Formats: sequence, C-alpha cells, structure tokens
Amino acid sequence: DVKVTQSSRYLVKRTGEKVFLECVQDMDHENMFWYRQDPGLGLRLIYFSYDVKMKEKGDIPEGYSVSREKKERFSLILESASTNQTSMYLCASSSRTGEITDTQYFGPGTRLTVL
Amino acid sequence: QKEVEQDPGPLSVPEGAIVSLNCTYSNSAFQYFMWYRQYSRKGPELLMYTYSSGNKEDGRFTAQVDKSSKYISLFIRDSQPSDSATYLCAMSKGTGGFKTIFGAGTRLFVKA
Repeated sequence: DVKVTQSSRYLVKRTGEKVFLECVQDMDHENMFWYRQDPGLGLRLIYFSYDVKMKEKGDIPEGYSVSREKKERFSLILESASTNQTSMYLCASSSRTGEITDTQYFGPGTRLTVL
Repeated sequence: QKEVEQDPGPLSVPEGAIVSLNCTYSNSAFQYFMWYRQYSRKGPELLMYTYSSGNKEDGRFTAQVDKSSKYISLFIRDSQPSDSATYLCAMSKGTGGFKTIFGAGTRLFVKA
C-alpha cells in the first residue's frame, strides 16, 4: 500500500512565523504535490515536483516555497505565515509510468491555523 | 468559470438508497476521470478511475463518463452509513501523474 505521511495533523502558528510542513512517501514515486483545501474552493495546487530538486508552481504559489532534496520528501514552507493561509494542507504523490494507474495518493492532511 | 463544477451538497439519503453524484467540466481535453472519497479529517483516497467515455463498475459503485455532454457521474447502490463522506471528482488530460483538476466535493450523509 502507498503510504504518504505528513509531519503534523494539527498546527497553530502566529502571523509572521516561518512554517515548515513535511511530507514523506514510501513508494518511490517521482511526482509529489502540495495542495490546500478550503470549503467551497476544493483542492488548489500550490506547488509540485517531478524530480529531486525540481519544482513547478501550481495555481496559487504566492506566499509559499518548496524544497525537494530527497526523492521521498517534499517540504512546503510558509516564509511569513498570514491568517489567510489558515487551511487544510494536503500532500500527494504519484508514479510517472504513463499508465492510468499514475493517480495521486494523498496524505492525511495538516490543519494549519494562523493566529 | 471553473474547469470542473461539482455541487457541494450536502446530500442526505436514507440507508439503502441509490446515490447519484455528478460533475460537469468545460475542457474537452480531459481524458482520465477519477472519483476520490474523503472521510472527515482524512486525506482523499482514490475510489475509481476511468478512461474516456463509458461505464465502470466496482461492487456497489459505478462510474459513468459522457464526454459528449462533459458530464461524469458516480452511482452508489444500496448506500450505507459508512459511505458518508465527501466525494471529489477529478480529471486530467494525460497519464504520468499529469496535473489533475479536482472538483470542490459533494458532502454525502447516509442515515441509518
């Protein structure tokens, strides 16, 4: 079974703090993704990575950065947290074989509250 | 206009009912269609995936794609309280973990 783990389930931070969210997958997947999920807006892609040290902006990258130093680990960084970044953050990974089975597998999510 | 539209619900049905969940989309390039189920306080999990038009059945679940109408459906037969969750449709243009677009999700409650 694919396992995607996220470092924290719940996190409370203060405005202006630097926040690190970590994600680890154990299936040797090439692709990794960070989304945020908000009521009524669904899943919105923040950043994704196709390989180690590679990153691509998603639909809402402003205020975020990422790091992928190892294949299994993908970190999301909030440089200076703001209240509008209060959200559920979901990490996902997928293979890249060109098959229909290259679907995304999600972690349990981190609910971040910025006060 | 969003690329994928999904009624957020909530949808409340009695146990044993047939449930129909739907999404519409605007981009005719989408070829791969998926349904994810998300329980409260958990990440989405893949339920079913289909390619192009047609039906796919898996137990009590049937996924249907109508590319001519840009409309996809998920049917749940003999619904159970354990089916209570948010169901997200998702679609992409290609494989290889290609960028996937998600619907906002429909919240389903199945009452015992």
